[in-house]
Amino acid sequence: GENVEQHPSTLSVQEGDSAVIKCTYSDSASNYFPWYKQELGKGPQLIIDIRSNVGEKKDQRIAVTLNKTAKHFSLHITETQPEDSAVYFCAAELSGGSYIPTFGRGTSLIVHP
Amino acid sequence: NAGVTQTPKFRILKIGQSMTLQCAQDMNHNYMYWYRQDPGMGLKLIYYSVGAGITDKGEVPNGYNVSRSTTEDFPLRLELAAPSQTSVYFCASSWGEGGGETQYFGPGTRLLVL
Repeated sequence: GENVEQHPSTLSVQEGDSAVIKCTYSDSASNYFPWYKQELGKGPQLIIDIRSNVGEKKDQRIAVTLNKTAKHFSLHITETQPEDSAVYFCAAELSGGSYIPTFGRGTSLIVHP
Repeated sequence: NAGVTQTPKFRILKIGQSMTLQCAQDMNHNYMYWYRQDPGMGLKLIYYSVGAGITDKGEVPNGYNVSRSTTEDFPLRLELAAPSQTSVYFCASSWGEGGGETQYFGPGTRLLVL
């Protein structure tokens, strides 16, 4: 089955800095890669996703890059703000089958004012 | 739309007791999921359903049961609570022909088994 590794487990940055979270996956058939943000006491919420036919996707201060050859994808947050502090999860999934998403263990991002 | 709702928000159980965690969605999603989240361990899939009347085991199904009699509801049953089941439980739903779509999560149920 699929295995997703996520690093780092904790990331501490100063407000205004950039943050990068990296994930690797094992199943080359996976073709859908969502990122979820979980604020304290809440359920995860999708913030951005990318499919395997795209190398990069941006949404304001958030971007995701995908390297299918190396089987890794990354979340980039620029100009971090205190409200970006949360746990971020990556996932890998096979779209079009009855596959179930495999989640990484999560990264706790702390943005210091 | 309310999205995905879960009840209760918090519950304390004694070892050996039983309870049902309720989950409902009003988005007409065909896929529904139950996860447990332990500190530093991410999300572990307990059970999932691809439609009413169809359920299947996930990664950690032992000690749990589910049913899906309607599209909207997907309750999770704990028959004999054990301390190892202390966790935060999330229900999620999605729409798709077979994955690859956004999962919408509920707010979670925090369960403490003593």
